[in-house]
Amino acid sequence: QSVLTQPPSVSAAPGQKVTISCSGSSSNIGNHYVSWYQQLPGTAPKLLIYENNKRPSGIPDRFSGSKSGTSATLGITGLQTGDEADYYCGTWDSSLSAWVFGGGTKLTVL
Amino acid sequence: EVQLVESGGGLVQPGGSLRLSCAASGFTFSSYWMSWVRQAPGKGLEWVANIKQDGSEKYYVDSVKGRLTISRDNAKNSLYLQMSSLRAEDTAVYYCATGVGLDYWGQGTLVTVSS
Repeated sequence: QSVLTQPPSVSAAPGQKVTISCSGSSSNIGNHYVSWYQQLPGTAPKLLIYENNKRPSGIPDRFSGSKSGTSATLGITGLQTGDEADYYCGTWDSSLSAWVFGGGTKLTVL
Repeated sequence: EVQLVESGGGLVQPGGSLRLSCAASGFTFSSYWMSWVRQAPGKGLEWVANIKQDGSEKYYVDSVKGRLTISRDNAKNSLYLQMSSLRAEDTAVYYCATGVGLDYWGQGTLVTVSS
């Protein structure tokens, strides 16, 4: 059981928007930056969002992040079939002195 | 361009040992925290350990404490994971990653613990 809670799966049609939630506590999301990672099938994870809402260079602005209290959200607009992947949230947990991930969310673009 | 190349994975018997390496290039290795993250077959990501720039601080997930040891050699731009007393549940692809926020990832190396 993961420290951070994500929905196991989400789906939407091409061109639509989807959000993926990540719920934690005061020892992790509540007091630390959240990152989001995309893992395409058969590949290594890639950083999508860092420091709650910042995009690394090369990441399109269709991807966005936000944080409120002990929850964070990843938003993806203009869905493409190439966005089908597993998405993970992650942050530091000061009570565990460990980095923690959500269980991952599988995005299906119908 | 940041490159991280893991090596050293393979098949090992339960109770055995293995040393993973991660060769880094394209950035100032000595300026960044480094981490190991693993992914069991068909499962999600699990952070394993990280190490401060000068090696003075190390943190581990509880399940590997006392068995896995992270280290680095800044002169060789390399990160290591010494694995001992391996168990079946350590079977996974092991990734090295840069920075506190896991900014860049290698392609991973597979460790299989089985008799």
